Amino acid sequence: NAGVTQTPKFQVLKTGQSMTLQCAQDMNHEYMSWYRQDPGMGLRLIHYSVGAGITDQGEVPNGYNVSRSTTEDFPLRLLSAAPSQTSVYFCASMWGPRTGELFFGEGSRLTVL
Amino acid sequence: AQSVTQLDSQVPVFEEAPVELRCNYSSSVSVYLFWYVQYPNQGLQLLLKYLSGSTLVESINGFEAEFNKSQTSFHLRKPSVHISDTAEYFCAVSEGGSQGNLIFGKGTKLSVKP
Repeated sequence: NAGVTQTPKFQVLKTGQSMTLQCAQDMNHEYMSWYRQDPGMGLRLIHYSVGAGITDQGEVPNGYNVSRSTTEDFPLRLLSAAPSQTSVYFCASMWGPRTGELFFGEGSRLTVL
Repeated sequence: AQSVTQLDSQVPVFEEAPVELRCNYSSSVSVYLFWYVQYPNQGLQLLLKYLSGSTLVESINGFEAEFNKSQTSFHLRKPSVHISDTAEYFCAVSEGGSQGNLIFGKGTKLSVKP
């Protein structure tokens, strides 16, 4: 099993450009989520999904969009990139809400100029 | 609303010394508590968790944490650290019966010196 796979690992964007961070998991997990990690801020939840066709906002959803058309995939879209979105993004999944063990991808480092 | 406070942003310690990383949470309902570890340039990995039962939980590499409901704390301890324990440690909480979203603290960087 590959676990949680994120692509790309590194990306540089210009302000106003759009892009999609891809996330796929092969563990048949119901729950998937996106976090951003910034120095001194810990991890903050952007969006999450408890199953195919169901998504909801986390703590910092503005400027991001998600969809969950399959159990395996949970892409994160940046609609119009801003320098404030420079961060490391992590996708994570788990079996369900009561297990608590999130499996993380290796992260995607995004720089917006 | 839930929140997690990690009281120390950095903890330097010498090899083989004991260490405690502090974590306090706020929540009005029952909670699940977690410690995750992040090694450089990697994602986070679960270190240990408290869901129910014994308030003292242990990891396979010698860390332990104790759930203290009255003090709303979940401090992480290790009696003797190794160089390889150098990493950033995150405390996290989720509310039992909720969607399962984890709220993370800001992290504590443990630096083990020889």
